[in-house]
Amino acid sequence: DTAVSQTPKYLVTQMGNDKSIKCEQNLGHDTMYWYKQDSKKFLKIMFSYNNKELIINETVPNRFSPKSPDKAHLNLHINSLELGDSAVYFCASSQSGSGETQYFGPGTRLLVL
Amino acid sequence: DAKTTQPPSMDCAEGRAANLPCNHSTISGNEYVYWYRQIHSQGPQYIIHGLKNNETNEMASLIITEDRKSSTLILPHATLRDTAVYYCIVTFTGTASKLTFGTGTRLQVTL
Repeated sequence: DTAVSQTPKYLVTQMGNDKSIKCEQNLGHDTMYWYKQDSKKFLKIMFSYNNKELIINETVPNRFSPKSPDKAHLNLHINSLELGDSAVYFCASSQSGSGETQYFGPGTRLLVL
Repeated sequence: DAKTTQPPSMDCAEGRAANLPCNHSTISGNEYVYWYRQIHSQGPQYIIHGLKNNETNEMASLIITEDRKSSTLILPHATLRDTAVYYCIVTFTGTASKLTFGTGTRLQVTL
């Protein structure tokens, strides 16, 4: 079984559209994250949630809205997509209190045209 | 979080030990050293972490200097599958902690 899964794997869309990326973890972890890796391969944290509560928000535009329906899921909704949103988005999870051993998903490759 | 400095790239022959250095001279007393790697097009993968003592697991060994200002990740018998970008990250632990990825070291394992 995949520990951290993301859907879709690839997403191609037009500027101005709204899209969502889903993430699920079956590790029983309390904390989940979204990272963005741009074309220059810099990997940056966007958000973290602990037990469905927002913990970290790294000055991400408010077009990005994470939603955590339960602690096993952290979805990322993006409104009014822009060209600069093209990137690979990684979801991750960790068991709070056990250090920062994070388990990453396979990534969602978003291309905005 | 303390900043880390790593060489941009390294080569290693298959079967030999790969020693990846990391400088973290501004590390504070409660910050851990973490190592992750990212194989092409995949999500980052946790390798090992430590606070003060040297650590070893099935993947690698981590050697931390006594003053904690630098560390070395050792892959004892590198294989082609170990070709990846390796990230050294210093962070405190806890609910609000986060991983700040730098540019890492691109390790190329060759035949």
